Amino acid sequence: NAGVMQNPRHLVRRRGQEARLRCSPMKGHSHVYWYRQLPEEGLKFMVYLQKENIIDESGMPKERFSAEFPKEGPSILRIQQVVRGDSAAYFCASSPSSPLVSEQFFGPGTRLTVL
Amino acid sequence: SQKIEQNSEALNIQEGKTATLTCNYTNYSPAYLQWYRQDPGRGPVFLLLIRENEKEKRKERLKVTFDTTLKQSLFHITASQPADSATYLCALDMITGGSYIPTFGRGTSLIVHP
Repeated sequence: NAGVMQNPRHLVRRRGQEARLRCSPMKGHSHVYWYRQLPEEGLKFMVYLQKENIIDESGMPKERFSAEFPKEGPSILRIQQVVRGDSAAYFCASSPSSPLVSEQFFGPGTRLTVL
Repeated sequence: SQKIEQNSEALNIQEGKTATLTCNYTNYSPAYLQWYRQDPGRGPVFLLLIRENEKEKRKERLKVTFDTTLKQSLFHITASQPADSATYLCALDMITGGSYIPTFGRGTSLIVHP
């Protein structure tokens, strides 16, 4: 059973471009979470999704950021018109059920660099 | 506001000793607490979960305690090895926007010297 997969592993964008980060959860997992991690800082929750539904996006910036988890295919975190402050590691995690009863399985992350 | 605190200073210990890491929290009563390990350039890896009604949990060389009165969890690694060197994160469930979301501390770096 493959683990959580994220691609690309490294992404370089110039200011104003769009960044698309993909996450394929573990087989059988229907819950996906996105986190952002800055150097020397903790993981900051961004958004929690189930198939075709955004459950909680309280950690997402109000502008430029969006996420989806379609019925088929990976979850996508999209950042429009990137700025230097968006440079960070973005981690995706999945779980088979509510986080109340199970741990999260993390992917290797996508390191976004904005020039 | 709710806060999770982990010692920002790295913990340096000698191989074979017991490493003890601390996670303190304020203004919250979590139903459970988790510990993760993160190596440089990698995603966190789940280690242990302890519920509020459990005082202690063990897994091989790992032990976690959870004191809801002190609002503190201790994470112990016995007979530590250089391979245990990593950053260790604690996470508490917090109700965010109506859902339970694991909220992470900044982590403590552990360095085990041979």
